[in-house]
Amino acid sequence: GQNIDQPTEMTATEGAIVQINCTYQTSGFNGLFWYQQHAGEAPTFLSYNVLDGLEEKGRFSSFLSRSKGYSYLLLKELQMKDSASYLCAVRSFYGGATNKLIFGTGTLLAVQP
Amino acid sequence: DTEVTQTPKHLVMGMTNKKSLKCEQHMGHRAMYWYKQKAKKPPELMFVYSYEKLSINESVPSRFSPECPNSSLLNLHLHALQPEDSALYLCASSQQGGSGELFFGEGSRLTVL
Repeated sequence: GQNIDQPTEMTATEGAIVQINCTYQTSGFNGLFWYQQHAGEAPTFLSYNVLDGLEEKGRFSSFLSRSKGYSYLLLKELQMKDSASYLCAVRSFYGGATNKLIFGTGTLLAVQP
Repeated sequence: DTEVTQTPKHLVMGMTNKKSLKCEQHMGHRAMYWYKQKAKKPPELMFVYSYEKLSINESVPSRFSPECPNSSLLNLHLHALQPEDSALYLCASSQQGGSGELFFGEGSRLTVL
């Protein structure tokens, strides 16, 4: 089975930096994704890691350590519009041409003025 | 065109009704997914289609019946649902190779009375 854990809620201040952690246990690991979901909307893709290390994309960076089963999403220069749920999702190879993407528990981030 | 379109956006049905949710994408993606999302919870995987064939069924009750008529369309047929099946149903698609991130539709919000 799979186990993907994130903190339930976090609060941060506008302009600050916040790090959202994700730990996972899975077999057939084939990549880790971060998605953002605003209330009442569909999840939107933020980042993808399949190798160890840091991927940077503007104000967002994501880090992966496969040996530790650990990832984090780093958000810099926080804006009010960054208030949303952040979902860590692990892709595992299922067989044939099929992959399976399972979401973690999600972290609700509140950005305060 | 990077959109996944879902219809209807909202659906209210009784426990004896039969209805269908529809999903369409024109990105040439050969993997399509149904997820169920309850309030303040992450999306839960229900079904995966790969090259129009059902690859994964996450032990979903038979009152949910998926169908993939062609590479662009995905349906979810609903029959004899229970009130606890009320949720947001998200369709997604992805490429088979590369990063293969999922593109989500806006979802169909289902209420079972």
